[in-house]
Amino acid sequence: GDSVTQMEGPVTLSEEAFLTINCTYTATGYPSLFWYVQYPGEGLQLLLKATKADDKGSNKGFEATYRKETTSFHLEKGSVQVSDSAVYFCALRGDGGATNKLIFGTGTLLAVQP
Amino acid sequence: DGGITQSPKYLFRKEGQNVTLSCEQNLNHDAMYWYRQDPGQGLRLIYYSQIVNDFQKGDIAEGYSVSREKKESFPLTVTSAQKNPTAFYLCASSLGQSNTGELFFGEGSRLTVL
Repeated sequence: GDSVTQMEGPVTLSEEAFLTINCTYTATGYPSLFWYVQYPGEGLQLLLKATKADDKGSNKGFEATYRKETTSFHLEKGSVQVSDSAVYFCALRGDGGATNKLIFGTGTLLAVQP
Repeated sequence: DGGITQSPKYLFRKEGQNVTLSCEQNLNHDAMYWYRQDPGQGLRLIYYSQIVNDFQKGDIAEGYSVSREKKESFPLTVTSAQKNPTAFYLCASSLGQSNTGELFFGEGSRLTVL
């Protein structure tokens, strides 16, 4: 079945460092891909998404490019801030799905130190 | 403000007791979902409902039950048959006919079995 694999955390960075969180997927067809973020004590919020190959999703300085050839959707940010500390989830929605059921990765905790 | 409200935020239960978690949304969304979050396992789908009076099992439905009598409400009952109920439970909703795949999450309910 469909699945998402993302790098284990925690990822600890200093402020203004470059961030990459790897995400790869297994799915048939052309799934839609998402990054969600969970701040401490809160539910998840959509960060960005891409619905077809080579699309780049971006929001709040974060970017991710849908790479069909490598089945990847890595999250990047050029300069992280303390306020970016959160858990980041990669997710996919299967191709042709009639619902918005999402399959989530295990989450990656990011801790940014001042 | 529009959103999803989950209650209670924290709940303690003795073994052998059933407990019901509330989820209410005022976003006029057709679809609603319940996910369970455990450390290191990401989010796993328990049940989902695309329309009123209809719902389907997710990947880990055993020991849980739901109802969808009103569009705004999707309560989850954790029964005594659930072997390991201590977890963080997240409710979400989405536009049923939308292809965006975006889920809107509540802030979660943390259940602890004593």
